Amino acid sequence: KAGVTQTPRYLIKTRGQQVTLSCSPISGHRSVSWYQQTPGQGLQFLFEYFSETQRNKGNFPGRFSGRQFSNSRSEMNVSTLELGDSALYLCASSLTSGRDTQYFGPGTRLTVL
Amino acid sequence: AQKVTQAQTEISVVEKEDVTLDCVYETRDTTYYLFWYKQPPSGELVFLIRRNSFDEQNEISGRYSWNFQKSTSSFNFTITASQVVDSAVYFCALSEASGGYQKVTFGTGTKLQVIP
Repeated sequence: KAGVTQTPRYLIKTRGQQVTLSCSPISGHRSVSWYQQTPGQGLQFLFEYFSETQRNKGNFPGRFSGRQFSNSRSEMNVSTLELGDSALYLCASSLTSGRDTQYFGPGTRLTVL
Repeated sequence: AQKVTQAQTEISVVEKEDVTLDCVYETRDTTYYLFWYKQPPSGELVFLIRRNSFDEQNEISGRYSWNFQKSTSSFNFTITASQVVDSAVYFCALSEASGGYQKVTFGTGTKLQVIP
């Protein structure tokens, strides 16, 4: 089975721009979670989607949003980028949720200049 | 609120030494899951183990072993005869399965450097 894929792998944007990141989960997995990883804050949970519905959300401003499509693929969007948004964004997929192991993609490295 | 503490920020060992990575967690739930992930320099988190709160049996997988003790809320990870390829950041994580919704909290990670 193919693993979790994330595109693009690297991205450079300037302040004020917006960005969309994409994640394709493992085939058959219906839950997709997003995390932000920075050296200062570690791994922080952004949100989780299941069956096209957001089920859980971390403590991030409304500039961070996401969605999930009927094929379980997910996108996250960050609007009005700030320098502090520079991070590795990781996507994880799991079968359903709760009890299942999350499998992570390689991440998207976002740099905001 | 759930919390995961990995007190060891960085550890350096010489190849072939054994090393133990500590993980202490806090949760009010009786049903929960604990995980260990490895993050090599490439960035991708690699799943190592999952343990549910009702299974306190220790587990061994090759050079890796895990010691789960509910009495001390710890889930420690030992690498025996460490190798340079073990150099990575290791994360412990806690998942509460309340209401079917997944709430996963990661520790801050322990960076392991294995020196040849």
